[in-house]
Amino acid sequence: DTEVTQTPKHLVMGMTNKKSLKCEQHMGHRAMYWYKQKAKKPPELMFVYSYEKLSINESVPSRFSPECPNSSLLNLHLHALQPEDSALYLCASSPQDRRVPDTQYFGPGTRLTVL
Amino acid sequence: SQELEQSPQSLIVQEGKNLTINCTSSKTLYGLYWYKQKYGEGLIFLMMLQKGGEEKSHEKITAKLDEKKQQSSLHITASQPSHAGIYLCGADKAGGTSYGKLTFGQGTILTVHP
Repeated sequence: DTEVTQTPKHLVMGMTNKKSLKCEQHMGHRAMYWYKQKAKKPPELMFVYSYEKLSINESVPSRFSPECPNSSLLNLHLHALQPEDSALYLCASSPQDRRVPDTQYFGPGTRLTVL
Repeated sequence: SQELEQSPQSLIVQEGKNLTINCTSSKTLYGLYWYKQKYGEGLIFLMMLQKGGEEKSHEKITAKLDEKKQQSSLHITASQPSHAGIYLCGADKAGGTSYGKLTFGQGTILTVHP
């Protein structure tokens, strides 16, 4: 089973709203990722959590706040977003087991529209 | 940082035809990943290559990594409409030293006409 789930599938929010994106995996993976993908562009890494600790923040604005409550869950809290933040937000996870190549498995994404 | 260039940017083929997509790196590749994406959906992992000269196949898709580990190709034999989508190559962003940081090529849009 290589399933990563994301909710919601679609989200429309105003610039003053606070919302959260949720990601879940039950593969026992120890690394989880958030990517942002604009139309006709490849995914761009935002954050990496390794063993529930934030290991990489790719200079993401503070209006995006990640949270990893446990090894299976990853949240992305959104506050005071701008219309240019509208994009497909992808979550991924990987084993982070040095005995095997570290392949990232992606969820289906959340399509975010900021009005 | 790792820069990946994919070619062609888009490809339109008739069902049953063979096709090849290329991914070229400016630096040595320590791990090269191929993903497929339907528009607006998540990425589906296809294959991962690590060793120079390595070749892997899954159903009608074959991926190769050259001996110098700077170029990979993805070959689809007897294409079908189900192969349509965006193909992305991805690699470790800093050549094996930044665990988990993938950078992607711009993608190749494949259309297969029945």
